[in-house]
Amino acid sequence: GQQVMQIPQYQHVQEGEDFTTYCNSSTTLSNIQWYKQRPGGHPVFLIQLVKSGEVKKQKRLTFQFGEAKKNSSLHITATQTTDVGTYFCAGTGGSARQLTFGSGTQLTVLP
Amino acid sequence: ETGVTQTPRHLVMGMTNKKSLKCEQHLGHNAMYWYKQSAKKPLELMFVYNFKEQTENNSVPSRFSPECPNSSHLFLHLHTLQPEDSALYLCASSQDRISYEQYFGPGTRLTVT
Repeated sequence: GQQVMQIPQYQHVQEGEDFTTYCNSSTTLSNIQWYKQRPGGHPVFLIQLVKSGEVKKQKRLTFQFGEAKKNSSLHITATQTTDVGTYFCAGTGGSARQLTFGSGTQLTVLP
Repeated sequence: ETGVTQTPRHLVMGMTNKKSLKCEQHLGHNAMYWYKQSAKKPLELMFVYNFKEQTENNSVPSRFSPECPNSSHLFLHLHTLQPEDSALYLCASSQDRISYEQYFGPGTRLTVT
C-alpha cells in the first residue's frame, strides 16, 4: 500500500533559525496536504499542493511539491516560538482512495 | 473553532465497559472520518463515511463500531477494549472524500485501564 515517510522525526532549532521537513511517497501522488498540530491540540490544515513543481508561500512558510509528485517539503524561515508543533504531510495517490499521513516532524523552537 | 466538536474530551474506561464517542460537524460536509493517534505513530485512519455510507474500514477490530446516522454526526461505539487502545481519537470532516482538506475536532483522549 501507499506509504508516506517524513524526515526528520524531531527537530530542535534556535529561534530565528530556518527549518525544513521533507515528505516522500512510495507512489506518485495526486495531491499533498500539510497540517500542523500544536502540543495538546489537533491537526489543522495548512495548504494543499496539486501541480507538479508547485510552490506556495504563506508568510514565512514555503511549501513545495516535487516535479515527480512523489515528494514535498515545508520550509520555515526565521522560526518563532509560535511555530512549535508537529507538522504532518498527507497525500492521496496511486490505488489509495484515502489520505495517507506521514509520521510527522516535531519542531521545538528554543528561545 | 473548527466547526467539528467531539465529546467527551477525556474518557477513562475499564476493559469490560461500553462507551461511545460522539462527533458533530457544523460545516455542511459530506465526508467524516475517525482517526486514532497514538504516541510516536502516524495518524491511523479507522473509518470513512461519505454521504452516511461507510466507504473505508481499515482492518479495525470489531470492538470498535462506527455509526453515522446523518452527514453531521458520527459515533464510535467502544466495547471490551484493550489497554493498547488507549490513544487520542480524532474525528474529521471534509467537503467530500480524498481531495479536500480535512477539518479535525479536538479529539477524545481515551485511557483503557
